[in-house]
Amino acid sequence: GEDVEQSLFLSVREGDSSVINCTYTDSSSTYLYWYKQEPGAGLQLLTYIFSNMDMKQDQRLTVLLNKKDKHLSLRIADTQTGDSAIYFCAEKRGSGTYKYIFGTGTRLKVLA
Amino acid sequence: NAGVTQTPKFQVLKTGQSMTLQCAQDMNHNSMYWYRQDPGMGLRLIYYSASEGTTDKGEVPNGYNVSRLNKREFSLRLESAAPSQTSVYFCASRDPGDSLDNQPQHFGDGTRLSIL
Repeated sequence: GEDVEQSLFLSVREGDSSVINCTYTDSSSTYLYWYKQEPGAGLQLLTYIFSNMDMKQDQRLTVLLNKKDKHLSLRIADTQTGDSAIYFCAEKRGSGTYKYIFGTGTRLKVLA
Repeated sequence: NAGVTQTPKFQVLKTGQSMTLQCAQDMNHNSMYWYRQDPGMGLRLIYYSASEGTTDKGEVPNGYNVSRLNKREFSLRLESAAPSQTSVYFCASRDPGDSLDNQPQHFGDGTRLSIL
């Protein structure tokens, strides 16, 4: 199927780590992306990972990819109140320009 | 450094009215996209344009038309608006880039459209 699934909500305390999970169904995915959406704004690219990698780290962000289980996660270390937003995972299927499938988004709330 | 610009930001229409949503990008990207975002459903592709002069249907094209006016601009038209088209509409652009095909999409801030 087409689905990319995420849990809808996550709440963490400031300073803790956040882990946002995503599962996808298509093994032809080439790139997987994480986007952040703040209120009233568009989607901002945070990071991406190529499907032949299993981990990518970028400052406070760590992306883990388990291709066998089709599971993608985004870990945010030392979560801050400014990290409160909706996080979308997206997969790009095959080559070409248009086949991006987005998850439903996870709303992260950071408690002070 | 404008990126992707969408106008208007907000609009309220009555059922049956027509409207064109505008999108322009200043990054010299070839590909442009229109998505709609609905609660609990993520983003769904309405139409896309791989390059100037071409357009193709996405996942949910019914009730919409598009025009790729030039390389910069890609507009979305609702000919006869229906309440089911109440949504947040996002335009995105992308440069196909090198052979690694890894270029991400860049999004505008969205148009919030309500149809009564």
